[in-house]
Amino acid sequence: GENVEQHPSTLSVQEGDSAVIKCTYSDSASNYFPWYKQELGKRPQLIIDIRSNVGEKKDQRIAVTLNKTAKHFSLHITETQPEDSAVYFCAASFGNQFYFGTGTSLTVIP
Amino acid sequence: GAVVSQHPSWVICKSGTSVKIECRSLDFQATTMFWYRQFPKQSLMLMATSNEGSKATYEQGVEKDKFLINHASLTLSTLTVTSAHPEDSSFYICSADTDSNQPQHFGDGTRLSIL
Repeated sequence: GENVEQHPSTLSVQEGDSAVIKCTYSDSASNYFPWYKQELGKRPQLIIDIRSNVGEKKDQRIAVTLNKTAKHFSLHITETQPEDSAVYFCAASFGNQFYFGTGTSLTVIP
Repeated sequence: GAVVSQHPSWVICKSGTSVKIECRSLDFQATTMFWYRQFPKQSLMLMATSNEGSKATYEQGVEKDKFLINHASLTLSTLTVTSAHPEDSSFYICSADTDSNQPQHFGDGTRLSIL
């Protein structure tokens, strides 16, 4: 089955700096890679996603890159703000089977 | 669109009680729904895949007689934690997608506390 690894597990950045979270996956059949943001006690919210036929996608301050050959994908948040503080999960999917990373707790220090 | 509603949001009950959690897709039909368990500061652990009109598929290590899943309609799946004990205390969350290779939409989660 698929195995998704996520690093780092915790990340602290100064407000305004960039944050990068990386994930690797094992199953080359995975073709859809969403990123979720989860605030304490709340539901995960989709923030950006990328499909295997695309190498990069950007939405305002958030971008995701995908390297299919190396089987890794990354989330980039620029100009971080305190409200970006949350736990972020990556996932790899084929069909409707989703496999989540272990999460990254991001703290943005004002 | 693609709203998933989960109820109740918080349950506190005595050990030995059975607890039912509902997951509804409000504006779409979900052939498949997913049930996850999340411990504090940990990732989402898939418990089972709920298929409308058929038996759920459980992940390895998840007791199907302990966690009963029923998916009787295209908009409702239920998870019943039978004879709950303190070790079953956790955050349970469901999700559904509108189609394959589409994002999962999560419910608000249910915080289950067994005394």
